[in-house]
Amino acid sequence: NAGVTQTPKFQVLKTGQSMTLQCAQDMNHEYMSWYRQDPGMGLRLIHYSVGAGITDQGEVPNGYNVSRSTTEDFPLRLLSAAPSQTSVYFCASSYSGGTSYEQYFGPGTRLTVT
Amino acid sequence: TQLLEQSPQFLSIQEGENLTVYCNSSSVFSSLQWYRQEPGEGPVLLVTVVTGGEVKKLKRLTFQFGDARKDSSLHITAAQPGDTGLYLCAGLPYGGSQGNLIFGKGTKLSVKP
Repeated sequence: NAGVTQTPKFQVLKTGQSMTLQCAQDMNHEYMSWYRQDPGMGLRLIHYSVGAGITDQGEVPNGYNVSRSTTEDFPLRLLSAAPSQTSVYFCASSYSGGTSYEQYFGPGTRLTVT
Repeated sequence: TQLLEQSPQFLSIQEGENLTVYCNSSSVFSSLQWYRQEPGEGPVLLVTVVTGGEVKKLKRLTFQFGDARKDSSLHITAAQPGDTGLYLCAGLPYGGSQGNLIFGKGTKLSVKP
């Protein structure tokens, strides 16, 4: 199994550009999430999904959109990039049958907005 | 707002030393997870503790969940350079789901040979 995969690994955008961060998992996990990690701020939840067709907002959803058309994929869209969105983005998935929601993380996408 | 505070924020030690990092909250959690993150990679789950007072061992790492389920500790015996990384704790509040998982800000550990 590949686990959780993310593309691209690195990305540089100009202010106002849009892009989609890709995330896929092959573990048949129902739950998927997007986090951003900033120095001194820890991991903050952007959006999450409890299954195909169902998404919800996390702690810092503004400026981001998500959709979940399949169990495997959970893309994150930046509508109009801003320097404040410079961060490292992690996608995670977790098993729905347990109660602890242990997260399996992807390798991350390092995004710089100039 | 529920918070998980980790201490110390940074820790630099020599190979062979012992260390303990802490994860504290005023809130009660149904379970608590510990992750390790190496530079340029995503966090990797080390252990989950679910019972108050529970102790789990993973080779030289010992994890403990507080009796009141508000705090946890990670003790590393005879640290090695391979233990270097960012250690994160994450707590699940009672009745919470994936969207309620709370992460601490992490302890950055450096073990020098």
